[in-house]
Amino acid sequence: QVQLVESGGGVVQPGRSLRLSCAASGFTFSSYVMHWVRQAPGKGLEWVAVIWYDANKKNYVDSVKGRFTISRDNSKNTLYLQMNSLRGDDTAIYYCARGGFNYDYWGQGTLVTVSS
Amino acid sequence: QSALTQPPSASGSPGQSVTISCTGTSSDVGGYNYVSWYQQHPGKAPKLLIYDVSKRPSGVPDRFSGSKSGNTASLTVSGLQAEDESDYYCTSYAGSNSWVFGGGTKVTVL
Repeated sequence: QVQLVESGGGVVQPGRSLRLSCAASGFTFSSYVMHWVRQAPGKGLEWVAVIWYDANKKNYVDSVKGRFTISRDNSKNTLYLQMNSLRGDDTAIYYCARGGFNYDYWGQGTLVTVSS
Repeated sequence: QSALTQPPSASGSPGQSVTISCTGTSSDVGGYNYVSWYQQHPGKAPKLLIYDVSKRPSGVPDRFSGSKSGNTASLTVSGLQAEDESDYYCTSYAGSNSWVFGGGTKVTVL
């Protein structure tokens, strides 16, 4: 069965960096577009980033452009989100999600808290 | 990349229907048939209910249906059940490899 397992969250000071991982199993990872979606505490969902099958196309929500980098290692079936220059408003649960124009499978999420 | 507009709340009695709207622009909802809907229970990951405006993944009850007219998409939950009490989110492809979510609607079963 399809499984997506995020890791790497935690408490980090403003301005520091963090790398999230999403381990995929149960499907051919290299055949799927992958996304990161986040949810601030008590708030709604926000699309963060997308990466195409072979990583030749990527895109980001404006608020993270230049600070976050999405990547993937198809040999390891793993999706990444490198987050630099973190700010308080980046505090959220970060979900990885499988899909092209929609998200058919989601991980359980990993909490990132940016606080001094 | 402005969020789609959803009503903050909606409610209905068991057995009734509730419809949630999701309003965007011609650059997102109105421009593409890539609207999807998600159900999220507290503390859980979202679950796909509807994709490509009106298609249901296998395993999703046919009580859930989607539609679109112009720049507004809608999710209808028919025959409301207690377990339908949840948060619901719409999302749309917005062109240029970007996506946008609605603010979410909390559905209460009275």
